[in-house]
Amino acid sequence: AQSVAQPEDQVNVAEGNPLTVKCTYSVSGNPYLFWYVQYPNRGLQFLLKYITGDNLVKGSYGFEAEFNKSQTSFHLKKPSALVSDSALYFCAVRDEVIYNQGGKLIFGQGTELSVKP
Amino acid sequence: SAVISQKPSRDICQRGTSLTIQCQVDSQVTMMFWYRQQPGQSLTLIATANQGSEATYESGFVIDKFPISRPNLTFSTLTVSNMSPEDSSIYLCSVAKGGETQYFGPGTRLLVL
Repeated sequence: AQSVAQPEDQVNVAEGNPLTVKCTYSVSGNPYLFWYVQYPNRGLQFLLKYITGDNLVKGSYGFEAEFNKSQTSFHLKKPSALVSDSALYFCAVRDEVIYNQGGKLIFGQGTELSVKP
Repeated sequence: SAVISQKPSRDICQRGTSLTIQCQVDSQVTMMFWYRQQPGQSLTLIATANQGSEATYESGFVIDKFPISRPNLTFSTLTVSNMSPEDSSIYLCSVAKGGETQYFGPGTRLLVL
């Protein structure tokens, strides 16, 4: 079975400092990995994905993530955090493809990011 | 990406009643999905809504409790039937537009009293 783990329930960072939100995964084949962000009373917004290619993936709002196959990790990073980055972040891995499109997403438990001024 | 709307955005319902949630997409999509996010929890897939065929339900979710319709390629509904307080959750629809990425609607916040 495929699974995703986000080991930290909460991450606290000072504004301007770099941030890292951790994610590890377990899959039987090649992973399709995603990061989403959920602001209060909002739906999920897509940040970035890794499918294949360069291990460093750049996404929206200055976020990036590094795919590490040997460590089965896909940590989310940002060089300089903003107070407005405070939100709930979800890592997800895609399950087997259905009709060659889309497919079930398996989500981690989420990490609450708090950026203080 | 895709522009996805859901109605209602939130509702408070009495136990034993049913609520139908609508999901509308701004363009045709093959795959639509319904997820549940219980308070303080992650997202769990309820079912995949297929146009022209029955929805595919995940383990632990049944059609009698969560009937789904998918009449065309831009619209789907999820009904939460015979509700109990345990059904209080955020219900989100998502779509995949021929690629790997799923895009999510804003969610429907349901409180069952």
